[in-house]
Amino acid sequence: QVQLVQSGAEVKKPGSSVKVSCKASGGTFSSYAISWVRQAPGQGLEWMGGIIPIFGTANYAQKFQGRVTITADESTSTAYMELSSLRSEDTAVYYCARALAGAAAGTCGYWGQGTLVTVSS
Amino acid sequence: QSALTQPASVSGSPGQSITISCTGTSSDVGGYNYVSWYQQHPGKAPKLMIYDVSKRPSGVSNRFSGSKSGNTASLTISGLQAEDEADYYCCSYAGSSTLVFGGGTKLTVL
Repeated sequence: QVQLVQSGAEVKKPGSSVKVSCKASGGTFSSYAISWVRQAPGQGLEWMGGIIPIFGTANYAQKFQGRVTITADESTSTAYMELSSLRSEDTAVYYCARALAGAAAGTCGYWGQGTLVTVSS
Repeated sequence: QSALTQPASVSGSPGQSITISCTGTSSDVGGYNYVSWYQQHPGKAPKLMIYDVSKRPSGVSNRFSGSKSGNTASLTISGLQAEDEADYYCCSYAGSSTLVFGGGTKLTVL
């Protein structure tokens, strides 16, 4: 059974950076895409970017280009999402999600529990 | 990469059927058969309900079905149950290894 466990809640100052981790267990980590999706309070889901660990190259939504970095460590089956130059509008729950076997690469079949990032002075 | 367009809300009575639409462009929904649908209850992580337009993951009720015509995808829920009350999001592949979500639809079971 695939499980994704994310790091804990964070409180950050405007202008700083945050790095959220997502540790996978069960199944093969390297071959399946990991996506990062965020949800601001009372708002919808927003895809930020993704990576297939075995390839190592991440792809990002245009909105976050230059401000987000997604990486993966195959040795620990852990993916990371770092968001820089934080502003209040970045306050959100950040989810990681893994692709479903047999589905299109970006299909988010398994989800982490979410990490609340609060940006406040 | 503009968000896909979904109705803000839909409602139906128990036992009825409802359909949620998801409209994109030829660069996303219309260009690929890679539309997925997610159910999200308050305070919970989203759950995959439909992938590749019309396929159901193991364990998802066959009351949920998906389809696509042109630039619009649809999620149909038949035999509505109280537990179906949730937010629903569509998602499409948008080329260049990117995804785009819809704005979400709140389903109310009357």
